[in-house]
Amino acid sequence: DQQVKQNSPSLSVQEGRISILNCDYTNSMFDYFLWYKKYPAEGPTFLISISSIKDKNEDGRFTVFLNKSAKHLSLHIVPSQPGDSAVYFCAAPQHSGYALNFGKGTSLLVTP
Amino acid sequence: DVKVTQSSRYLVKRTGEKVFLECVQDMDHENMFWYRQDPGLGLRLIYFSYDVKMKEKGDIPEGYSVSREKKERFSLILESASTNQTSMYLCASSSYGAWTDSNQPQHFGDGTRLSIL
Repeated sequence: DQQVKQNSPSLSVQEGRISILNCDYTNSMFDYFLWYKKYPAEGPTFLISISSIKDKNEDGRFTVFLNKSAKHLSLHIVPSQPGDSAVYFCAAPQHSGYALNFGKGTSLLVTP
Repeated sequence: DVKVTQSSRYLVKRTGEKVFLECVQDMDHENMFWYRQDPGLGLRLIYFSYDVKMKEKGDIPEGYSVSREKKERFSLILESASTNQTSMYLCASSSYGAWTDSNQPQHFGDGTRLSIL
């Protein structure tokens, strides 16, 4: 059963606007969340993370917001650039503490 | 710089063949992972290893096995390849647990696109 859910398979945004990618989770024991970015024919690269003791983490144009009561997190990209076009995966650590549960990904297209 | 290297970018094999996918990391990481990525399904964990000769099943281990004889190398084995194992395979490594407060908890290779005919 998928514990990390990304319900939007794709998103198209104009350059310069805000991109908002959403992620929901079912396990209230998750205490750390990560976002990865993946270009075609490349491996995923770590983008940004957030601990459950915070509700916001910012790194340049990327901000992740966490709403624990709603079991929801979102990644905001402001302003969006064409080079941001990629698949974005939300992830949380598995109970083993080693591997990650990944969502199905959201494909972001930023158009000029 | 961090490096996870997968031996092949593209591989074509036939049904029933035994297939080996190799992964090497140069970061002295304790943990190594094999995932597969399929459209609409995201990344799913096949196996992982937290130490030499140690392995744990992931979410979809059926039809696969792994080998970790040396710390830097983690091999994925398809015992008898089938067409439903056509996929993108991604290897990753990490130190300590799955997450830390430091940058980039898991490092991924560029993937092997495997086609089983």
